[in-house]
Amino acid sequence: GAGVSQSPRYKVAKRGQDVALRCDPISGHVSLFWYQQALGQGPEFLTYFQNEAQLDKSGLPSDRFFAERPEGSVSTLKIQRTQQEDSAVYLCASSLDPESNQPQHFGDGTRLSIL
Amino acid sequence: KNEVEQSPQNLTAQEGEFITINCSYSVGISALHWLQQHPGGGIVSLFMLSSGKKKHGRLIATINIQEKHSSLHITASHPRDSAVYICAVEVSGGGADGLTFGKGTHLIIQP
Repeated sequence: GAGVSQSPRYKVAKRGQDVALRCDPISGHVSLFWYQQALGQGPEFLTYFQNEAQLDKSGLPSDRFFAERPEGSVSTLKIQRTQQEDSAVYLCASSLDPESNQPQHFGDGTRLSIL
Repeated sequence: KNEVEQSPQNLTAQEGEFITINCSYSVGISALHWLQQHPGGGIVSLFMLSSGKKKHGRLIATINIQEKHSSLHITASHPRDSAVYICAVEVSGGGADGLTFGKGTHLIIQP
């Protein structure tokens, strides 16, 4: 079956531009996570959705980062006024539901480069 | 200090060798994950465990909750096992809902 799909696969933007990254989770998955992975580092948590509700956004590095999941399925991570330090791989993961003790399924990520 | 520490950071071995990657954590957890990441970014979940031992093919994962330590073993290693192996934990008792990751172990298996 289809896994977690992220688009675009690669994104290059100039400093100051706004970008939008898309995540299509596995159908029926309630939980959705966004992570940021800097080069040579492990991923770091950004935000978590349960259906359309954003239950945890403690990992968002600044108010330039905004995430939404308006219908409880597709999610978008938006970064406004991008900075060079935003360059990273942005990973999306989904899992069936928070009570089912199921692993997270990861997308291939969006590699964002800010020039 | 990182909440999740992995060792070694880099490991190069010959095909057929028995591989061990270690993970130590400093917080209370509800589960620990071992993940595999290939060049290009895709992450695959290998194991999710909260106690004991799990085996899948040539991969074995163990966890000791009292010692806050987990190991990932690869038997009869093969060049296709070359990847970054990441340990991640679900922190119990509140805090962020996502996983907390180690920095990964870069494994290269030479033919």
